[in-house]
Amino acid sequence: DAGVTQSPTHLIKTRGQHVTLRCSPISGHKSVSWYQQVLGQGPQFIFQYYEKEERGRGNFPDRFSARQFPNYSSELNVNALLLGDSALYLCASKDTGNPYEQYFGPGTRLTVT
Amino acid sequence: SQQGEEDPQALSIQEGENATMNCSYKTSINNLQWYRQNSGRGLVHLILIRSNEREKHSGRLRVTLDTSKKSSSLLITASRAADTASYFCATDAFAGNMLTFGGGTRLMVKP
Repeated sequence: DAGVTQSPTHLIKTRGQHVTLRCSPISGHKSVSWYQQVLGQGPQFIFQYYEKEERGRGNFPDRFSARQFPNYSSELNVNALLLGDSALYLCASKDTGNPYEQYFGPGTRLTVT
Repeated sequence: SQQGEEDPQALSIQEGENATMNCSYKTSINNLQWYRQNSGRGLVHLILIRSNEREKHSGRLRVTLDTSKKSSSLLITASRAADTASYFCATDAFAGNMLTFGGGTRLMVKP
């Protein structure tokens, strides 16, 4: 079975631009979470979605938004990019039958110049 | 902000030796999990220990949890070069929702 997939793999944007990152969960997983990992640090929670509804939000500004589609895939949007938004963005999905274990995708490396 | 602090930040050992990593956290938890990350890519779930458990084993991994000290340790026995990676502890306060990660331990196992 395919794992969590994310696109694109790498992305370079300029300050002030907008970016959309995409995530497809493991088939059958209805919950998707997004994490930001700045180089040299651990991941930080951004959002969790379940059945297309936001279930949790981390300490991130309103420039960050997300949504989940009927097929449970998800998008993370970041507006007005700052240099500090450069990071690895990780998506994770989980199964309602095993709510504790999250399966992470390979991430999207975003560089803001 | 990050809940946990991991110690040491970096660890270098020879193949065959044991590696011990420690994690401290600040608030009450439902469970604590350990993840592995190779070369800044995706995280792989290693083991989960619930707040009412004190020790758990999985293959060459042994995890302990001391909720009174708000700390956990991960022991990798008989390490291999392929164990070279970053290891993160993550606390789960709300039973399956957001994870709060520590800063990680970078492990290098020399052949």
